[in-house]
Amino acid sequence: DGGITQSPKYLFRKEGQNVTLSCEQNLNHDAMYWYRQDPGQGLRLIYYSQIVNDFQKGDIAEGYSVSREKKESFPLTVTSAQKNPTAFYLCASSTLTGGDQPQHFGDGTRLSIL
Amino acid sequence: AQKITQTQPGMFVQEKEAVTLDCTYDTSDQSYSLFWYKQPSSGEMIFLIYQGSYDEQNATEGRYSLNFQKARKSANLVISASQLGDSAMYFCAMRELSFGNEKLTFGTGTRLTIIP
Repeated sequence: DGGITQSPKYLFRKEGQNVTLSCEQNLNHDAMYWYRQDPGQGLRLIYYSQIVNDFQKGDIAEGYSVSREKKESFPLTVTSAQKNPTAFYLCASSTLTGGDQPQHFGDGTRLSIL
Repeated sequence: AQKITQTQPGMFVQEKEAVTLDCTYDTSDQSYSLFWYKQPSSGEMIFLIYQGSYDEQNATEGRYSLNFQKARKSANLVISASQLGDSAMYFCAMRELSFGNEKLTFGTGTRLTIIP
């Protein structure tokens, strides 16, 4: 079945450590997105990419980095510069053919600090 | 100012009753899209329904309908004949098309609990 796969489901980070969250899609979507969700909050955009080898910062990009070397993959690295990384991270993808196209989401990765 | 406002942090509804979840939005764009998503306790975001700013008819998808009042900038989600499986967080979101279609802005959500 087509969909978006995020891994791992749970991730623990030590102080000063970088960690990478995986996001893979087989929907042939051009655009991919990373969101952060804090308890009781909506989603906030971290980074997005509309084409391979290109990406743009969202509202809260500081302390995060991404790459888009393949259309199917959009990994997110949470760097040690992100001082409050504990959150639920959601990856999404969509087509670029019109504003009516919804974003489709993965099941999320829950990141905690050890 | 908040672009998407959901004023009901939580709602409790009896099973089989209809429920309306409120959403108001703020934009100066003439062209925009509105979406509703459901987030069960497992965490995934499930797309429910879409409404375009130029659509004259209210959107419907099965038991879900969107009460779109453009002049009031409101896009309320109506769930008919609620079921226990409807218990979840519900998020309203907007895409402003003049800025490209790259960004969804989400509200803070409403937690809906269906009572048997």
